[in-house]
Amino acid sequence: QKEVEQNSGPLSVPEGAIASLNCTYSDRGSQSFFWYRQYSGKSPELIMSIYSNGDKEDGRFTAQLNKASQYVSLLIRDSQPSDSATYLCAVQGGSEKLVFGKGTKLTVNP
Amino acid sequence: NAGVTQTPKFQVLKTGQSMTLQCAQDMNHNSMYWYRQDPGMGLRLIYYSASEGTTDKGEVPNGYNVSRLNKREFSLRLESAAPSQTSVYFCASLGGQSTYEQYFGPGTRLTVT
Repeated sequence: QKEVEQNSGPLSVPEGAIASLNCTYSDRGSQSFFWYRQYSGKSPELIMSIYSNGDKEDGRFTAQLNKASQYVSLLIRDSQPSDSATYLCAVQGGSEKLVFGKGTKLTVNP
Repeated sequence: NAGVTQTPKFQVLKTGQSMTLQCAQDMNHNSMYWYRQDPGMGLRLIYYSASEGTTDKGEVPNGYNVSRLNKREFSLRLESAAPSQTSVYFCASLGGQSTYEQYFGPGTRLTVT
């Protein structure tokens, strides 16, 4: 059974701080990794994809991948109250399927 | 370009009733998916369809049937609803085989009493 683990949180950070979200996965053969943001009562929204070891930056978001350690992280710089949401880590689980973690709830306090 | 659409947005059923959740995408994607999301359980795959005319079971298929009517539409049917099927249902489609990025519809919130 392929698994994706995330700290459930809640993670609380002050406005302007860096929020760090972590994810580990069990399938060493996974090649594609994703971060989704889900606001309360809404559907998941894709915010980052990463396929190679290292960092990938998009605005205030940085995804980090370490395949040897089977670890993916998402950093949110200059966190804003509008970043308050649940963040889902997803890993390619074979063929065209994704395996999702249960999500980490982030609260950014003004 | 509406992306992925789902109907209805909300539904209340009595135990034993049947219903079909509809999903359509206008992005010309081949693969489509049905998930359910429950508190503390995350997103779980019910069924998926890699192409028109093909469907495969996911992690939690019991109690559900699906139909890939054409490339755009993928429906999920509950033949005899049970309270355990109270959940939020999301449809998604795959952006491309080289990326595995999935895009979600707005969801259907189903309550079975």
